[in-house]
Amino acid sequence: DTAVSQTPKYLVTQMGNDKSIKCEQNLGHDTMYWYKQDSKKFLKIMFSYNNKELIINETVPNRFSPKSPDKAHLNLHINSLELGDSAVYFCASSQGGWASEKTGELFFGEGSRLTVL
Amino acid sequence: KQEVTQIPAALSVPEGENLVLNCSFTDSAIYNLQWFRQDPGKGLTSLLLIQSSQREQTSGRLNASLDKSSGRSTLYIAASQPGDSATYLCAVARGMVNTGFQKLVFGTGTRLLVSP
Repeated sequence: DTAVSQTPKYLVTQMGNDKSIKCEQNLGHDTMYWYKQDSKKFLKIMFSYNNKELIINETVPNRFSPKSPDKAHLNLHINSLELGDSAVYFCASSQGGWASEKTGELFFGEGSRLTVL
Repeated sequence: KQEVTQIPAALSVPEGENLVLNCSFTDSAIYNLQWFRQDPGKGLTSLLLIQSSQREQTSGRLNASLDKSSGRSTLYIAASQPGDSATYLCAVARGMVNTGFQKLVFGTGTRLLVSP
């Protein structure tokens, strides 16, 4: 039973298109994240939501719009795709996210590889 | 600005060897440090989480230590096996000034290959 699941796993599309990636976690966590892994395998946070509220928006272009309908889901919609958006996008979740020692470990989905042609 | 570096970038060892992966960070004001492994084409799997007040954590053949004052963590893998081949990432959690929330900053990773 997958803890953090993302769909689709692969996405190939043309420049200028709009696409969405969905993420669901069944761990009962209250915090969810989107990370981007570039071609050099470097991971960087994009967004973080705590109980459906946006907490972190890490200078991501407005073309990226996360939506959290409930605390178990965090979807990512991307408008007007550009070549530089090609990357692997990872969803993750944790229990807590506040800057304290009570924040739990992160659990990641398997990633969604986006290729923009 | 927190920077996290992992050395070496790649490591190749024969099966059975004990090995150490290193992680260093520039700002010691962290809340926790987490080690992950990433298999090719897969997501990250959490291995160990060390809170800032702890010195080490152990899970099976893995032992992670944390020295906040020197900005270092090590991941020790005992009796390595081919199945340990993966990329190992460390990440440190620091607080964000305006939100009181934490943010993970990832290292550059160490690619490990254990040959039979």
